[in-house]
Amino acid sequence: QSAVTQSPSASGTPGQRVSISCSGSSSNIGRNTVNWYQHLPGTAPKLLIYSNNQRPSGVPARFSGSKSGTSASLAISGLQSEDEADYYCAVWDDSLNGYIFGTGTQVTV
Amino acid sequence: QVQLQESGPGLVKPSQALSLTCTVSGGSISSTNSYWSWIRQPAGKGLEWIGRIHASGASNYTPSLKSRVTISVDTSKNQFSLNLSSATAADTGVYYCARDHYYDSYMDVWGKGTTVTVSS
Repeated sequence: QSAVTQSPSASGTPGQRVSISCSGSSSNIGRNTVNWYQHLPGTAPKLLIYSNNQRPSGVPARFSGSKSGTSASLAISGLQSEDEADYYCAVWDDSLNGYIFGTGTQVTV
Repeated sequence: QVQLQESGPGLVKPSQALSLTCTVSGGSISSTNSYWSWIRQPAGKGLEWIGRIHASGASNYTPSLKSRVTISVDTSKNQFSLNLSSATAADTGVYYCARDHYYDSYMDVWGKGTTVTVSS
């Protein structure tokens, strides 16, 4: 099945560490690299992590990504109020021959 | 740096086609390593990838929309376009265009998005 699921919400206080999970299958996360996006309402989604664990220039080091098997995770350490947003994982699915976005996680600080 | 800008009608009548254009500036749409994608966020829902095109004309579409979607490219204008036929209220939402890195499979540059409402 080609679905990618995330926990609906996560929360923490400033300075804490928050982890967001992304669960897929052998046709997507199991075979391809995972990307993470931060989305604030009314703005364009921002690439946070690509190729499982790479940060684009300008993304703070407190954002980190990892992948194991058919799951991936995004960690935010030293949580800040500006991190309050929706977070999506995205991955190419070989069965669908297209991208799948995760269901999204709303992070509250 | 590369920038993307969506344009098109903000209001579409049901059963009509939803057509949007994305203009690429600061770089060439003919870049070998780039595909160009459309993504949308239906009202109250998450992000949904619609499809992508390469300057060569090669394209991919999400299966659920494939029968209604056409993405085309105009290299002379540095633009690519989305056409979604037989629009319904379910197609209402914010539409984004993005640059898609072919080899590493990620979308790094996004337009600001444009809101489309399907209503009579």
